[in-house]
Parts: sequence; C-alpha cells; structure tokens
Amino acid sequence: GAGVSQSPRYKVAKRGQDVALRCDPISGHVSLFWYQQALGQGPEFLTYFQNEAQLDKSGLPSDRFFAERPEGSVSTLKIQRTQQEDSAVYLCASSLGGAGGGYSGANVLTFGAGSRLTVL
Amino acid sequence: AQSVTQLGSHVSVSEGALVLLRCNYSSSVPPYLFWYVQYPNQGLQLLLKYTSAATLVKGINGFEAEFKKSETSFHLTKPSAHMSDAAEYFCAVSGTSYGKLTFGQGTILTVHP
Repeated sequence: GAGVSQSPRYKVAKRGQDVALRCDPISGHVSLFWYQQALGQGPEFLTYFQNEAQLDKSGLPSDRFFAERPEGSVSTLKIQRTQQEDSAVYLCASSLGGAGGGYSGANVLTFGAGSRLTVL
Repeated sequence: AQSVTQLGSHVSVSEGALVLLRCNYSSSVPPYLFWYVQYPNQGLQLLLKYTSAATLVKGINGFEAEFKKSETSFHLTKPSAHMSDAAEYFCAVSGTSYGKLTFGQGTILTVHP
C-alpha cells in the first residue's frame, strides 16, 4: 500500500481484557518498529523486526506484551490482561533497509496513524 | 546509548515570526538526527534528517536545522511561521545499525494570527 496502515484506530478495553493491534507496513519494507506514545510524551521504542525476525524487544514493558510478524509483512502487537497504564497510542513504523550489510541508521521511518488504546 | 532533550514543551509565536525549536542530543556513536512533525490524530511525518553529508539541512515546508557537534545541538528553525505550522514537533536520534529512533518529549508549536 501507499502508507503504513494500522487497525483499529481506536480501541476501548476493560481492564484485564486482551487486545490485538495490527500493522500493515509499506510493501517491501524490511524493517518494522512498534512504539508506544503516552499522552503528552514522545514515542518510546517497544520492539523491532527485520523481516520475520524479532531482533530487538528491549522496550517491551512486561511479558504481557507480545509482538509477531510471522511472514515478514503484517505485524500484530498483543497485550494480555490490559492495565490502565497501557492506555496510549501505539505507533507502527516501517523502513526499507534493515540491519545487515552496513550501517542503516539513516533509514527513514514511515509511521502509521496509530492505534489509540484506552483501558477502563 | 542515545538520548534527546527538547527545551520547551510549548512554544508560541506570531504568524510571520521566526520559529526556533531547540534540541540537544547525547550519543555514544556518530548520530543520525531527525525532526518529525505530528498533527492531531495523525502519525509522525518526517521534516528533515541529518546524515553527516552537510551540517545545515533543509526540509519540507521551509524548515531547516543545523547540526552543531560542539554544542551537541540540532535546533529546528523557520524564518516565517504560518498558521499551518501549528503542531507538535519531535526531535529524534538514531544510533543503531537498523535505525531505531530515540525521541525527545516533543514541543507543541502554537502560531497566533
């Protein structure tokens, strides 16, 4: 597609429910990132995929958070037993380059519009 | 490790006035630096990036930023503010081989007529 697509755009969950957030990156993009943006804050890194491999999950706040990208395209972020502190906008981003073959720090990330999660 | 500090969570200017949004970074490796803009209920949009080719970087919508290694700064400027510039702006640094970004807290720009 032309951009990064995320669904649902808005999700309200009761505390303790499980939620799943979907990200459809730009076709052909190797890298995929998930970020969490709390109200009034900058985005914070959660996890990184290069194709289907999850190479960095250092930002996941607890074992209730799980992400996958089984075929190297669409990714799902799952949050189990949601808590009020999980309320945030979850942003997905993709980029063309990956980690292999040299320094790709200049890769430009293209962000989706985000999924806003509210936990009651 | 990388970190970013944006000085001033809110900046207010008059239409036509100079815009200056401040960003200081810390990085253990030569950094790549970015400015993103976020409009309400939208994702982040890239304004410009520094990748060591030139210290003065020009971006979209008339914005530019200057990389100053001695000051560890990457301030964003625009000579003349427009009402449509009102948004939240984020400075970010990348120091990994795969482009993982570390963001600042953001600066909300308000433009008064």
